Amino acid sequence: SQTIHQWPATLVQPVGSPLSLECTVEGTSNPNLYWYRQAAGRGLQLLFYSVGIGQISSEVPQNLSASRPQDRQFILSSKKLLLSDSGFYLCAWSTQAIRVHEQYFGPGTRLTVT
Amino acid sequence: KQEVTQIPAALSVPEGENLVLNCSFTDSAIYNLQWFRQDPGKGLTSLLLIQSSQREQTSGRLNASLDKSSGRSTLYIAASQPGDSATYLCAVRLLTGGGNKLTFGTGTQLKVEL
Repeated sequence: SQTIHQWPATLVQPVGSPLSLECTVEGTSNPNLYWYRQAAGRGLQLLFYSVGIGQISSEVPQNLSASRPQDRQFILSSKKLLLSDSGFYLCAWSTQAIRVHEQYFGPGTRLTVT
Repeated sequence: KQEVTQIPAALSVPEGENLVLNCSFTDSAIYNLQWFRQDPGKGLTSLLLIQSSQREQTSGRLNASLDKSSGRSTLYIAASQPGDSATYLCAVRLLTGGGNKLTFGTGTQLKVEL
């Protein structure tokens, strides 16, 4: 069976500090991977998606970047955090092997920028 | 641009009641629609996925319907239980565009009271 991991679960960082959030998927190959952000009182916003190693698409201009160094690893980064980067970050995957492309989400990382 | 709206934003019902959550979307050219459940501080759990060619999907006490032409979906929960308390999100995937991107509604926060 497939599982998705995210860490850390919670993070408190000062403004201007760097960020690295990690997501890994087990039990599937060549998944599509996604980073979403859920800000307080707002819906989920797609930040990045990846259809393969090194292939990253950005949905909105922002202070964040993403990388996919391995097939089942997706990393969200920032060089200098802003207060507006606070939120709940969710990683998700879907598989091209199944046409339905149902998305499955990880447990999330709660980021607070102070 | 696809917009997804969920009504009501919040709902409180007594245990045992049947209830309906609504989701509407502006672009009817969708590939599929997915309903999720989110518990406080947690990731999303996929409940049901309806392909654009389908009219409904059922899982236990949950039934989701899709009327693509009118841009609407409903999630019916039968015999509600306190454990059903959560935020329910719908999301649509458009036919066009790469990466299997989902557009989410802002959710309905459900509370089932004893």
